[in-house]
Amino acid sequence: SYELTQPPSVSVSPGQTASITCSGDKLGDKFACWYQQKPGQSPVLVISQDTKRPSGIPERFSGSNSGNTATLTIRGTQAMDEADYYCQAWDSSTVVFGGGTKLTVL
Amino acid sequence: EVQLVESGGGLVQPGGSLRLSCAASGFTFSTYWMTWVRQAPGKGLEWVANIKQDGSEKYYVDSVKGRFTISRDNAKNSLYLQMNSLRAEDTAVYYCARGQHGSGSYTIYYYMDVWGKGTTVTVSS
Repeated sequence: SYELTQPPSVSVSPGQTASITCSGDKLGDKFACWYQQKPGQSPVLVISQDTKRPSGIPERFSGSNSGNTATLTIRGTQAMDEADYYCQAWDSSTVVFGGGTKLTVL
Repeated sequence: EVQLVESGGGLVQPGGSLRLSCAASGFTFSTYWMTWVRQAPGKGLEWVANIKQDGSEKYYVDSVKGRFTISRDNAKNSLYLQMNSLRAEDTAVYYCARGQHGSGSYTIYYYMDVWGKGTTVTVSS
């Protein structure tokens, strides 16, 4: 079965750029998306189809996907961005999630 | 307002059954794929099952095949998950989510753009 790998944790200082990676075999040949989940809340879609930002998602969130790696980038990171982030792809009619990355803003 | 509201969770003994429901409102339910996703305590997101708009296609994670059944009633704008032979490892918050399914220039995409607040299932004696 297809697997997506994320780093367990990423730390960033306020105002700096955070990058969260998601790796999978030939992931660039698939569409990747990203979800943000804060404690006690449901996941929220922040990036779809590699690079698209849904309505209401701040411009500081962006995505890319090439080769074996998809990347979620948060520019000018704010304290409110501290959360768990999950990548996701579609493979053989199944939904595949990465293990999640805890973003700490300190 | 687009909304998904799950219900039916609770405490059940190992080997027991439970039926989860998800009530959709604010959008044309019959035109969307739907998905169940679960999250065990302190763990990440795990996809459980998908169902196509007319119910003609259903897909499951291997760990629930033969035990769980996803279904929908488009006339009632509702999604269901029948869970049988429950195990301790099925303990989780279960989320209902709306799927966006389509094709790009070279491949198919699927992502969930609307999520419910979840319902908690606890399997314990």
